Amino acid sequence: GQNIDQPTEMTATEGAIVQINCTYQTSGFNGLFWYQQHAGEAPTFLSYNVLDGLEEKGRFSSFLSRSKGYSYLLLKELQMKDSASYLCAVSSGGSYIPTFGRGTSLIVHP
Amino acid sequence: KAGVTQTPRYLIKTRGQQVTLSCSPISGHRSVSWYQQTPGQGLQFLFEYFSETQRNKGNFPGRFSGRQFSNSRSEMNVSTLELGDSALYLCASTLVGGNTGELFFGEGSRLTVL
Repeated sequence: GQNIDQPTEMTATEGAIVQINCTYQTSGFNGLFWYQQHAGEAPTFLSYNVLDGLEEKGRFSSFLSRSKGYSYLLLKELQMKDSASYLCAVSSGGSYIPTFGRGTSLIVHP
Repeated sequence: KAGVTQTPRYLIKTRGQQVTLSCSPISGHRSVSWYQQTPGQGLQFLFEYFSETQRNKGNFPGRFSGRQFSNSRSEMNVSTLELGDSALYLCASTLVGGNTGELFFGEGSRLTVL
């Protein structure tokens, strides 16, 4: 099976930078996803990492280290609308269907 | 392009009843996955269907079942409902062979079991 750990909750200030960490244990790693889910809404795709390194997409960046079983999502220039749950998910083995962590609830305050 | 559509959005059932939820994927997507989301357990994988065949299955009891039709629409059924089945049931579709395997989620069906 897979074990995915991420902090339950984080708070940050508008305009700041926040890093959400995710550690995982799995065999046959295929890729790592980050999804954003606002309260009462469907999760939406943010990023996908297959190789080690940093992937940047606007204010959001995602980093992966396969040897360490570690990823982080970096959010810059935080806005109030970034308050949401951030889900780390890993696909492995013969299936590309990801297993999700329990999510990190990010609260951005003024 | 229309997104993933799930019906009904909200429903209330009592213990022992059964429920059927429906999911229409994005046009052209042939893979449909189902997830259960609860505050305590997060998103848990139920099963995945591709070309009318169940291809992957999570660790849920046999009371949870599903199927997929030739037009890729999918249904899931929960029989003999228990209080613990109260959850948000999310359906996601994906384009098999796509670069990222990105899942496109529907808004979900929120089930309350009394």
